[in-house]
Amino acid sequence: DTAVSQTPKYLVTQMGNDKSIKCEQNLGHDTMYWYKQDSKKFLKIMFSYNNKELIINETVPNRFSPKSPDKAHLNLHINSLELGDSAVYFCASSPSGTGSRYTIYFGEGSWLTVV
Amino acid sequence: SQQGEEDPQALSIQEGENATMNCSYKTSINNLQWYRQNSGRGLVHLILIRSNEREKHSGRLRVTLDTSKKSSSLLITASRAADTASYFCASDYTGGGNKLTFGTGTQLKVEL
Repeated sequence: DTAVSQTPKYLVTQMGNDKSIKCEQNLGHDTMYWYKQDSKKFLKIMFSYNNKELIINETVPNRFSPKSPDKAHLNLHINSLELGDSAVYFCASSPSGTGSRYTIYFGEGSWLTVV
Repeated sequence: SQQGEEDPQALSIQEGENATMNCSYKTSINNLQWYRQNSGRGLVHLILIRSNEREKHSGRLRVTLDTSKKSSSLLITASRAADTASYFCASDYTGGGNKLTFGTGTQLKVEL
């Protein structure tokens, strides 16, 4: 069984569109994250939620809005997509707190291409 | 930038050889972790070393931490073709808000 699953795996869309990426974890973890990995493989945290509460919000454009309906789900909605949003987006989770002392479990990634 | 920097950026070795990757960081840390990413996949946790530890082993992996030099190394012994992947260090900076900051990664290729 997949521990952290995210959909879709591949997404090609036009500039200006709005899209969502869904994420679910079945590990019983309290904390979930969204990371962005660019073409140079640089991985940067975007958001972190602990028990549905936003605890980390990096300098991400307002066009990106995370939503956590419950602690097992963390979705990412992106408005008005731009070419620079093309990247791989990883959902992740960790057992508790902000995850710094614990293993972070990553999903397989969602490859977003904006054309 | 608080990110770690890894060296080398790319490493190509023959199967059976040892691979050493280094990670340097800029400020005090609480702990440091190493992750592996196979092509087209998510990251997988390998090992965590705390700031008060100097060396840790897990199977064919050996991680060292030198807080005085603000650096860590990952050694993979007797490498296999299946070890081909990108390897990232990730550190939790003291005062950094308890979030992991990832390094730039080392792309390891193990050839038969």
